Amino acid sequence: NAGVTQTPKFQVLKTGQSMTLQCAQDMNHNSMYWYRQDPGMGLRLIYYSASEGTTDKGEVPNGYNVSRLNKREFSLRLESAAPSQTSVYFCASSNRGQGNSPLHFGNGTRLTVT
Amino acid sequence: EDQVTQSPEALRLQEGESSSLNCSYTVSGLRGLFWYRQDPGKGPEFLFTLYSAGEEKEKERLKATLTKKESFLHITAPKPEDSATYLCAGGTSYGKLTFGQGTILTVHP
Repeated sequence: NAGVTQTPKFQVLKTGQSMTLQCAQDMNHNSMYWYRQDPGMGLRLIYYSASEGTTDKGEVPNGYNVSRLNKREFSLRLESAAPSQTSVYFCASSNRGQGNSPLHFGNGTRLTVT
Repeated sequence: EDQVTQSPEALRLQEGESSSLNCSYTVSGLRGLFWYRQDPGKGPEFLFTLYSAGEEKEKERLKATLTKKESFLHITAPKPEDSATYLCAGGTSYGKLTFGQGTILTVHP
């Protein structure tokens, strides 16, 4: 009954540090997504994976990389964190493409870069 | 460019005071219009999908409707537990999803 699980829940980084955000879903969904949510900007797509073995850039991919480890897991990596990457990051999954079927979101990772 | 605009940005209601939230969209090739609820510190939670103009869906005190240019989320006799941010998003058949910025609803007892 877990749905989409994200770790960690909170993280503080210094500029230039790297980290990986982890996401796992147990709904056997094909597609997985990484979004960021900023005040006044709404939810913006960073990267997505339409199916196991594929990844594609979204609206704001610069400074990020992703890995679709298997059907369940999709990680987001910040190689050299910048203050502009301070945000709340949400992982989501869907059975079909995000335009066609609803997304199921995790509860987010709150990242602060100082 | 696809756009989804929600109004108002914030809405304060008294318990029992019905109202509506608006979601205006210009999305080329709209496949589905989605509504989500987001509680503080949580991820968005799916509420409804509307696929064609004239369609309506209901869940407890919420009813979502869709026209060719707008969607409305009607809240009938709201309770304090309905307080949340409500997000709408337009999805296309080629997999793009555009979110609005949300309406923050506060229901006072």
